Amino acid sequence: NAGVTQTPKFQVLKTGQSMTLQCAQDMNHEYMSWYRQDPGMGLRLIHYSVGAGITDQGEVPNGYNVSRSTTEDFPLRLLSAAPSQTSVYFCASSYGAGGLYEQYFGPGTRLTVT
Amino acid sequence: AQTVTQSQPEMSVQEAETVTLSCTYDTSESDYYLFWYKQPPSRQMILVIRQEAYKQQNATENRFSVNFQKAAKSFSLKISDSQLGDAAMYFCAYRTYTGANSKLTFGKGITLSVRP
Repeated sequence: NAGVTQTPKFQVLKTGQSMTLQCAQDMNHEYMSWYRQDPGMGLRLIHYSVGAGITDQGEVPNGYNVSRSTTEDFPLRLLSAAPSQTSVYFCASSYGAGGLYEQYFGPGTRLTVT
Repeated sequence: AQTVTQSQPEMSVQEAETVTLSCTYDTSESDYYLFWYKQPPSRQMILVIRQEAYKQQNATENRFSVNFQKAAKSFSLKISDSQLGDAAMYFCAYRTYTGANSKLTFGKGITLSVRP
């Protein structure tokens, strides 16, 4: 199993550009989520999904869109990038919701918006 | 809403010594899970140890153990026989026991350095 994969690993965008961060998992996990990590802030939840076709907002959803058309993929879209979205982004998945199920993290994407 | 607090931003330990990382949390729930994650310079998030709130016994994983005080809402991580590879950022995290809206809430992290 490849686990949770994220692409790209690094990205530089100009303000106003759009892009999609890709996340895929091959463990047949129902629960997937996106976090951003900023210095001194820990990881904060952006969006999450409890299954294909079902998504919901986390703590910091503004400026981001998600969709979940398949169990495997959970892309994160930035429609109009802003410098405040400079961060490291992590995708995670688990078999189910709740602490019963270990979350597996991808390697992260470092995004810089200039 | 649940909150997780790690009040120490940095700590240092001598190789082979023991260090304790502190974490407190706030919740109104009775059933939940607590975690410690390690993030080395590679950036990969690694689960170190997990504690179920309904268990009185403290979790242990090799050199890593926790001191879970449910009434005090405290969850500290003890690293024994510290090794150079333990140098990393450590995050304390909370998650509800179950439920579709279950989310992993992280503390701000603590940077641990290990002196040779």
